[in-house]
Amino acid sequence: DAGVTQSPTHLIKTRGQQVTLRCSPKSGHDTVSWYQQALGQGPQFIFQYYEEEERQRGNFPDRFSGHQFPNYSSELNVNALLLGDSALYLCASSLGTGGSETQYFGPGTRLLVL
Amino acid sequence: GQSLEQPSEVTAVEGAIVQINCTYQTSGFYGLSWYQQHDGGAPTFLSYNALDGLEETGRFSSFLSRSDSYGYLLLQELQMKDSASYFCVPRLAGFQKLVFGTGTRLLVSP
Repeated sequence: DAGVTQSPTHLIKTRGQQVTLRCSPKSGHDTVSWYQQALGQGPQFIFQYYEEEERQRGNFPDRFSGHQFPNYSSELNVNALLLGDSALYLCASSLGTGGSETQYFGPGTRLLVL
Repeated sequence: GQSLEQPSEVTAVEGAIVQINCTYQTSGFYGLSWYQQHDGGAPTFLSYNALDGLEETGRFSSFLSRSDSYGYLLLQELQMKDSASYFCVPRLAGFQKLVFGTGTRLLVSP
């Protein structure tokens, strides 16, 4: 039973560029959430996708966008990269959108913006 | 508003028992999760308390008191591999957004 997978594992970009990160949820899960974790901080919620729609969004600018595909996999897009976007980007999957379901995290994508 | 408090750092020796406390203040509280995260790694789910009381999973136990807005994670028979950051994470009714604080860094020494 495959867990949550993310690609790529590491990425280096320059300011102003655009980046796309990918996530495949755990088998049987239909909901994907994205988090940003800066060094020394806890993960911060970016947004959540369910049934191919953005259901909830955290306090992140519109430069951060996403998509969910019919097979429940998801992408996170960040436009006009800033140095401050350097972080570990985590994807978490779960079943359903209620509050009782456990979210399981993928290994993350470490993004460095130069 | 919403607040979450945990000690920033806890140190202990191998074989010892350590308790990491968590107090929270949030609306729509559903339950309390605990996650472990090693440096450079992803958060790993440890336990979830939906009801008051103690939940035991091997060497780890988690406790919740809703009336006190308080919980703790108890780690027994500490091992070096337990050195990591631990996050208490409230779950909110109707929402799957997880709110992480800065966590507690546990350092286990020989």
